[in-house]
Amino acid sequence: KQEVTQIPAALSVPEGENLVLNCSFTDSAIYNLQWFRQDPGKGLTSLLLIQSSQREQTSGRLNASLDKSSGRSTLYIAASQPGDSATYLCAAPEGSARQLTFGSGTQLTVLP
Amino acid sequence: DTGVSQNPRHKITKRGQNVTFRCDPISEHNRLYWYRQTLGQGPEFLTYFQNEAQLEKSRLLSDRFSAERPKGSFSTLEIQRTEQGDSAMYLCASSGSGRMQFFGPGTRLTVL
Repeated sequence: KQEVTQIPAALSVPEGENLVLNCSFTDSAIYNLQWFRQDPGKGLTSLLLIQSSQREQTSGRLNASLDKSSGRSTLYIAASQPGDSATYLCAAPEGSARQLTFGSGTQLTVLP
Repeated sequence: DTGVSQNPRHKITKRGQNVTFRCDPISEHNRLYWYRQTLGQGPEFLTYFQNEAQLEKSRLLSDRFSAERPKGSFSTLEIQRTEQGDSAMYLCASSGSGRMQFFGPGTRLTVL
């Protein structure tokens, strides 16, 4: 059974800082891992999907890495902005399954 | 708007009543997922359709819950005899040939 853990649960940084969000998973036989953003009371916005054959995926100021052997993924946010404040969730399937198992998220606050 | 849509956005009901939610996926997506999210937690998988076939159901989906996707397009999630513990955000997602899931805005259910 896939279990996904995100640490820290909350993070507060000043504007302009680079930061790293961590995600760990127990079943390393995954096809992919996906990162999402969620604003309060809203649905999820897909940020990045990393295939199991990839080690990194980039979109703008976001860079996600995947290390299947250690069961870890990181989301790097460069030059953080107050608009980046949100909860960031990572999710991984169990093996080749389609449904995702989510972590509890990291609540990010970027202070102006 | 070509994203995933969900209706209603909010639903308040009394314990014991039945409720039904609707999800319209991205038009070319053949896979549709339902998740449930409670405060401070990541979404939890409920069920998954490929076209009109319901392929996976979570143990979270008790007998009071039923989901359909009759023509392989929109889907409905019905909860019978609602309980206060059913209060949550119900999220729908869809995916196409790739594995990236795109989420709708969710339906927030409050059971009084």
